[in-house]
Amino acid sequence: AQTVTQSQPEMSVQEAETVTLSCTYDTSESDYYLFWYKQPPSRQMILVIRQEAYKQQNATENRFSVNFQKAAKSFSLKISDSQLGDAAMYFCAYRSGMDSNYQLIWGAGTKLIIKP
Amino acid sequence: NAGVTQTPKFQVLKTGQSMTLQCAQDMNHEYMSWYRQDPGMGLRLIHYSVGAGITDQGEVPNGYNVSRSTTEDFPLRLLSAAPSQTSVYFCASSYSLGGTVTQYFGPGTRLLVL
Repeated sequence: AQTVTQSQPEMSVQEAETVTLSCTYDTSESDYYLFWYKQPPSRQMILVIRQEAYKQQNATENRFSVNFQKAAKSFSLKISDSQLGDAAMYFCAYRSGMDSNYQLIWGAGTKLIIKP
Repeated sequence: NAGVTQTPKFQVLKTGQSMTLQCAQDMNHEYMSWYRQDPGMGLRLIHYSVGAGITDQGEVPNGYNVSRSTTEDFPLRLLSAAPSQTSVYFCASSYSLGGTVTQYFGPGTRLLVL
């Protein structure tokens, strides 16, 4: 069975600096998708970025980018120029490419604190 | 386009009471799901549906029922509430485009069972 591990329960960063959140996963599949979701205090889950495993190029969305290391099964999220609004829980999630039911497997989350 | 809506936002129940958490989406997504979120844990799938009339169990289905009579609605029923069901519940709907799946989440329902 696939698993997703986020080893950092909490991270803090100074405003305007860069922070990297770690995520590792375990799978025997070659076709899959990885996601980072943000959950602010409002509790709504917001998709930050997605990565297809078959793509070698790392996904980027404005200040958010990933470092996808397929062989190492690592999928870290880098947030550049951190802003106060980035403070939230961040969840890493995995979806099998063979799963027609769209089920996601979730990590436990990392709480990101932004220091002004 | 309201996306995914959930009601109520917060509910307090006594042990043994039953209730229904409502979830609706207006994006015509076939796939919908219910998760619970507990401190220090990721989201855990309770039940899901791949279309109207079709539901199936997820990782933690015990104590919960679902039905999907329409594409838009996917209510979650607690049959006899227990303190272990104190949690935050999220409903999500999904679509697939170009092989990637995007999940849209509702704002969540915080449930406290005394």
